[in-house]
Amino acid sequence: QVQLVQSGAEVKKPGSSVKASCKASGSTFSDYAINWVRQAPGQGLEWMGRLVLRFGVANYAQMFQGRITITADTSTRTIYMALTSLTSDDTAVYYCAGGRSGNYYPYYQGLDVWGQGTAVTVS
Amino acid sequence: QSALTQEASVSGTVGQKVTLSCTGNSHNIGSYTVGWYQQISHGAPKSVMFGNSPPSGISDRFSGSKSGTTASLTISGLQPEDETTYYCSTWDSSLSAVVFGGGTKLTVL
Repeated sequence: QVQLVQSGAEVKKPGSSVKASCKASGSTFSDYAINWVRQAPGQGLEWMGRLVLRFGVANYAQMFQGRITITADTSTRTIYMALTSLTSDDTAVYYCAGGRSGNYYPYYQGLDVWGQGTAVTVS
Repeated sequence: QSALTQEASVSGTVGQKVTLSCTGNSHNIGSYTVGWYQQISHGAPKSVMFGNSPPSGISDRFSGSKSGTTASLTISGLQPEDETTYYCSTWDSSLSAVVFGGGTKLTVL
């Protein structure tokens, strides 16, 4: 099974961008879809988008379209989530979460493994 | 407002069986498998069920089911360590997105 380790906490100014990373270890990396899920203080989980590694397919939640990009560097097994035009509403813990991708669209088979989270503060 | 609807809170006594529900529609729960995630003290969530199959290492006290557009997570023999927040999630074909419920806080009395 894949394990996910995320980059450290970030403090950003309003209007700037953040790029969080999620490094995967384990032999089945390419079989996974890596999702990004965030949680604002005191709130629930909010899906932001995903990258299905085997097919190179990316999906983004409507509310983040135009502001989010999820990419992967397969040589280092690292997935990146970049979010632009930050506001205080983007203050949250950002999790990467992986699940094995099915053979057919939407390739969704849950979120088996989670990273430890990256706290992003916009102030 | 979440695409999936969960009870805000559920309570039970030690040893009791409790059921958490998750209601959606034909575009999400009605068509796709539902996952359940446990989040302790705002740490990273952990998968406890996908459909009716628990991941390895998860207690067999946890079971999952679905009927139409409602999914359920049942916890038998409730233990104090089960007290935390549970989220349901699945794919939504009308949104082309993963959707979550608002979470249920389970209290063990």
